[in-house]
Amino acid sequence: QKEVEQNSGPLSVPEGAIASLNCTYSDRGSQSFFWYRQYSGKSPELIMSIYSNGDKEDGRFTAQLNKASQYVSLLIRDSQPSDSATYLCAAYAGGTSYGKLTFGQGTILTVHP
Amino acid sequence: GAGVSQTPSNKVTEKGKYVELRCDPISGHTALYWYRQSLGQGPEFLIYFQGTGAADDSGLPNDRFFAVRPEGSVSTLKIQRTERGDSAVYLCASSPNSGPSTDTQYFGPGTRLTVL
Repeated sequence: QKEVEQNSGPLSVPEGAIASLNCTYSDRGSQSFFWYRQYSGKSPELIMSIYSNGDKEDGRFTAQLNKASQYVSLLIRDSQPSDSATYLCAAYAGGTSYGKLTFGQGTILTVHP
Repeated sequence: GAGVSQTPSNKVTEKGKYVELRCDPISGHTALYWYRQSLGQGPEFLIYFQGTGAADDSGLPNDRFFAVRPEGSVSTLKIQRTERGDSAVYLCASSPNSGPSTDTQYFGPGTRLTVL
């Protein structure tokens, strides 16, 4: 079982719609969670981080964390074609591996006009 | 300010050769990470440096892979006797510090390694 799993997609939504990206993790010791956006051929770029249960909003993006269910999600409101990219969910491993980010395989999002 | 830089951007080598990949982190960042990303996958952790020392090298796949950071800034990932399976994008990231909390990792543009 992968430590961080994402709905593999691809996910296609019309412009202006809400895109919902989901992620589950297996390590209960994970304390911090991150969503990275990666355009084709480019490096990952951090768009959201979340550390506490509940919702965190930043502009059109909302991250949700439920540690009891070991579930993280990212909602993108008013999706734009420029949001089309691969979205990577990552968790900070627990224990002594403080430096290690564990990534999911990514979800490809396409926003069509 | 300048971000994380990596050189070369592309490296093509033949099976069995030795390669070095360089990472120059953001100035002042004490933590440095190497990841490897294969096509269609998320980045996979290789090694993490805190200052000059490798605090966690559990992701290095075998003893052909080695990394150094002698002065606590620039890091070099070294791969001996390259194999076709080593072909991937090697990403470097840095953060101001490290820990279980909140430090953001900033990624460089990556080095695309192709082993023929």
